[in-house]
Amino acid sequence: QKEVEQDPGPLSVPEGAIVSLNCTYSNSAFQYFMWYRQYSRKGPELLMYTYSSGNKEDGRFTAQVDKSSKYISLFIRDSQPSDSATYLCAMSRTGANNLFFGTGTRLTVIP
Amino acid sequence: ETGVTQSPTHLIKTRGQQVTLRCSSQSGHNTVSWYQQALGQGPQFIFQYYREEENGRGNFPPRFSGLQFPNYSSELNVNALELDDSALYLCASSFERGADTQYFGPGTRLTVL
Repeated sequence: QKEVEQDPGPLSVPEGAIVSLNCTYSNSAFQYFMWYRQYSRKGPELLMYTYSSGNKEDGRFTAQVDKSSKYISLFIRDSQPSDSATYLCAMSRTGANNLFFGTGTRLTVIP
Repeated sequence: ETGVTQSPTHLIKTRGQQVTLRCSSQSGHNTVSWYQQALGQGPQFIFQYYREEENGRGNFPPRFSGLQFPNYSSELNVNALELDDSALYLCASSFERGADTQYFGPGTRLTVL
């Protein structure tokens, strides 16, 4: 069993839709949770960073962490074609190093 | 742009050869991590260097080795290349070991034939 599980998709939604991306994990020692966006032929770009449980909002993006269920989510409101990318969840025990990544979900937002 | 650069962009090698990949971190970032991203997979942690010393390693064999230099550049060396080493190799730099943000470079695409 992988430490981090993520549905690879692909996921296609119409412009303006709300997108929900999810990951589950097995290691209860994870304390730091991140979402990265990766465009084709580019390195991952940090979108959201959350420590421990709770919600965090940044513009159209909301990250949720439920440590009791070992489940994290990323919501994208009013999705735009420019949001089309692969979204990777990542987590660690000790900050932004030795990250454990999910496989990534490929999202396409159709105009 | 993250300010992290990697070279070369693409590389083709044959099985058994050795390869060196290079990364230039943001100025002031004393921590660099290397990741391997196979096609269709998420990145996997190879190792991290902090102030020129290895500071953590993932589940990769010793033929994967690295160096970090005082000028914020670093190298990933892979000996005795295997077909499964074909992947995108990413470096990521951060200001400190426990920083909450690290910045990824664009990666080097390695193909082993």
